[in-house]
Amino acid sequence: AQKITQTQPGMFVQEKEAVTLDCTYDTSDPSYGLFWYKQPSSGEMIFLIYQGSYDQQNATEGRYSLNFQKARKSANLVISASQLGDSAMYFCAMREGDTSGTYKYIFGTGTRLKVLA
Amino acid sequence: DAGITQSPRHKVTETGTPVTLRCHQTENHRYMYWYRQDPGHGLRLIHYSYGVKDTDKGEVSDGYSVSRSKTEDFLLTLESATSSQTSVYFCAIKGPAGTEAFFGQGTRLTVV
Repeated sequence: AQKITQTQPGMFVQEKEAVTLDCTYDTSDPSYGLFWYKQPSSGEMIFLIYQGSYDQQNATEGRYSLNFQKARKSANLVISASQLGDSAMYFCAMREGDTSGTYKYIFGTGTRLKVLA
Repeated sequence: DAGITQSPRHKVTETGTPVTLRCHQTENHRYMYWYRQDPGHGLRLIHYSYGVKDTDKGEVSDGYSVSRSKTEDFLLTLESATSSQTSVYFCAIKGPAGTEAFFGQGTRLTVV
């Protein structure tokens, strides 16, 4: 069973608009972490935002926020005021194994975002 | 910047030849990972290590082996490369205090 699901292979957004990238996850570990990474066309993996499973408030980092709904097992990324430089592939990831100490990072298949001028 | 260096950055090799990719870190972190990235599959975990000589398999470990004889180096070996192993390979380390994974620049491997 897929542990991280990103159902949007590709998305378009108009410059300066907000966009939500969906991510659902599955784990039985009570302690885990959720992450979003950006991969521009140059190929490097850029960390954007982190949410711990016990964090009460949604994480925010500048224009990025993570909409964490624990009961629904979703961790959507919201990008406000999109910029042309936001065009990239976005990966949702989960760190599982916190309780056992194995600490594995599992990734979704990604969403390619294109920002339109 | 987390000090992670992958080598080589690009490699073309022939089917059936052995290939070793190197990941070197200067951060003294315990956990290191090898992933492969393919279109439509995202990043898939090949092997990971939780200490010197301590390694375990990920979801796509067939055809790959790893070794970690020093904290700073994690080697990925394709014993006999196949065309299905053409991919971009990323090394990563687990950051301190349970934070994000930091990635190397990636290695583009082509098996012809």
